Formats: sequence, C-alpha cells, structure tokens
Amino acid sequence: QSVLTQPPSTSAAPGQKVTISCSGSTSNIGSSFVSWYVQVTGTAPKLLIYENNKRPSGIPDRFSGSKSGTSATLGITGLQTGDEAVYYCGTWDASLTTAVFGGGTLLTVL
Amino acid sequence: EVQLLESGGGSPQTGGSLRVSCVVSGFNINTFAMSWVRQAPGKGLEWVSTINGSANSTYYTNSVKGRFIISRDISRNTLYLQMKSLRAEDTAVYYCTKGRTVGATFCFDPWGQGTLVSVSS
Repeated sequence: QSVLTQPPSTSAAPGQKVTISCSGSTSNIGSSFVSWYVQVTGTAPKLLIYENNKRPSGIPDRFSGSKSGTSATLGITGLQTGDEAVYYCGTWDASLTTAVFGGGTLLTVL
Repeated sequence: EVQLLESGGGSPQTGGSLRVSCVVSGFNINTFAMSWVRQAPGKGLEWVSTINGSANSTYYTNSVKGRFIISRDISRNTLYLQMKSLRAEDTAVYYCTKGRTVGATFCFDPWGQGTLVSVSS
C-alpha cells in the first residue's frame, strides 16, 4: 500500500489529453514539492516534472504538473503512442522521514 | 554528461550479503545527495536509502534499517549499498540516482540503468 495514491491505470486516444492524480496528506504532498517520473517498460525511470510544475530540459510542454493542498496532478496533452508508460509521483514525507512514491499509473494510448 | 552505472547485482541466498556499486561520471559525488531506489519484479518504485552531499547524514527506509548501509568513495566517485541479512522481499532492481540539485535531495535525476538483486532460498 503506497503512501501516495494514484489510479492504477488510465487510457486515452492519440491526440487527446489525460490527467493523472496523486493523493497524499499534509505530511507529504501538503508540505513538500512533488516530482513526477515516467518509466517505459524495461527502462529506468526518468524525471518528468519537479517542484510541482517545472519541466527539466528536454521535456516537452505537453507535460504539466500542478499541486493543490494534499493532491498533485500530472497533465499530458497531445497524447502520442510513445507516451505509453507508467507514471509515478514522488515526494518527501516529513512524518515518516522517508521519500515516498505513488503506486504508479499505467497510461495506455489507444 | 552525467552518467550512473550500477554493478554488483546477483543471486545471494536468504540471510546472505551483497554489495552493489554505482560509478558516476560528469559530476563529483560529494556535491550532491545520492540515493538507492528499488523496484521489485512487476511492482512500483520504493525508496531505499539516501546519503547527503557532505555524507554526514544517511536515511533508510524502515525495512532495511540495521541491514543496509549506504556509503561512498569520493576518490572513486562511487556510491555503494552494502546489504546483509537479505530477505526474499529484497529481490528487486536497484537503481542509483542523484539529487537533481544540491538542495533537491529527494528529487531524483538522473537514474542509472539498475542492477538486479535476486535473493534465493
């Protein structure tokens, strides 16, 4: 059972938009920056969003992040088949004094 | 270019020990926090341990406290994870990763390709 809660899966058609939610608590999302990572099957995770809504160099602006209270959201527009992957949210939990991840959301682009 | 290359994975027996390593290039390991994150087969990501840039603080997830030790060798620009009293539930791919910036200890970027530890009975 992950400290951060994500939907196990979501899907959308190419060109469409999708959002992935990440729900936590005041001790994690509510008090720390949220990062998002993407993992394509068989490869290592890669940072997608940091500090809630910032994109590292090389990440297209089709990807966006937001945070409100104890929840965060990843948005992806103009879906491409290459976006099929598992997406994880992550942050620091001040009560547990551990870094925590969501369980991951498998995105299928139909 | 920043690169992280793990090695040392294997198939230790339950109760055994193993040390995995991560050689880094493109930056000095004593500048940034370094972490190990693992992924059990077919499962999600689980943070394991972090050592801060000055190496005066280490952090561990509860399930490995007292069994795993994170360390580094600045002269070799290498991060280590010494694992002992291994359990079946420690079976995972172990990723080495770096704090994105000096202050972003728990924002992980980039990641190595991982090394597989498979604990057998």
